Amino acid sequence: AQSVTQLDSQVPVFEEAPVELRCNYSSSVSVYLFWYVQYPNQGLQLLLKYLSGSTLVKGINGFEAEFNKSQTSFHLRKPSVHISDTAEYFCAVNPGTYKYIFGTGTRLKVLA
Amino acid sequence: DVKVTQSSRYLVKRTGEKVFLECVQDMDHENMFWYRQDPGLGLRLIYFSYDVKMKEKGDIPEGYSVSREKKERFSLILESASTNQTSMYLCASSLLQGALETQYFGPGTRLLVL
Repeated sequence: AQSVTQLDSQVPVFEEAPVELRCNYSSSVSVYLFWYVQYPNQGLQLLLKYLSGSTLVKGINGFEAEFNKSQTSFHLRKPSVHISDTAEYFCAVNPGTYKYIFGTGTRLKVLA
Repeated sequence: DVKVTQSSRYLVKRTGEKVFLECVQDMDHENMFWYRQDPGLGLRLIYFSYDVKMKEKGDIPEGYSVSREKKERFSLILESASTNQTSMYLCASSLLQGALETQYFGPGTRLLVL
């Protein structure tokens, strides 16, 4: 069975500092990988996804993620965060069906 | 832009009441989903529908039912609300099945059962 682990429930970071949000997954089959963002009082929106090809994926708002098959990781990074990046971030996997498995989320708090 | 709307942002109901949560999408998507979001648990799939009148159970269907009479509308029903169903409910839709299709989410309904 597939599972997703987001070890950090909260990550505080100062504005303009870099950030990395960690995501590890377990699966016996190939999966597709996603990062979603949820701003306060809103639904989730897609940041980026890895389906195949280059292991470095660029998304919206300056975020990027790197797929590492040997480490079964898909960490999200941004070189310089803004206050407006304060949100909850969800990693998700999909084995190629309708079903997504979501992680428990990481709250990013950007401090002035 | 795809739009997924949910009938209420906040709801307060009493234990034992029948509760209807409605979701409408305006992009002719085939698939619609209901998730429940709880702190520390992430999103969990309650039900999924891949066509009108078609549905499949997700990971936590107990205590819930769904209805899809029209393609654009997917309703979640709590037959007899209980306090442990207090949660945030998120609806999503996608054009086709599979990971190639992005899921589009509504803003969520925060339900409090007293």
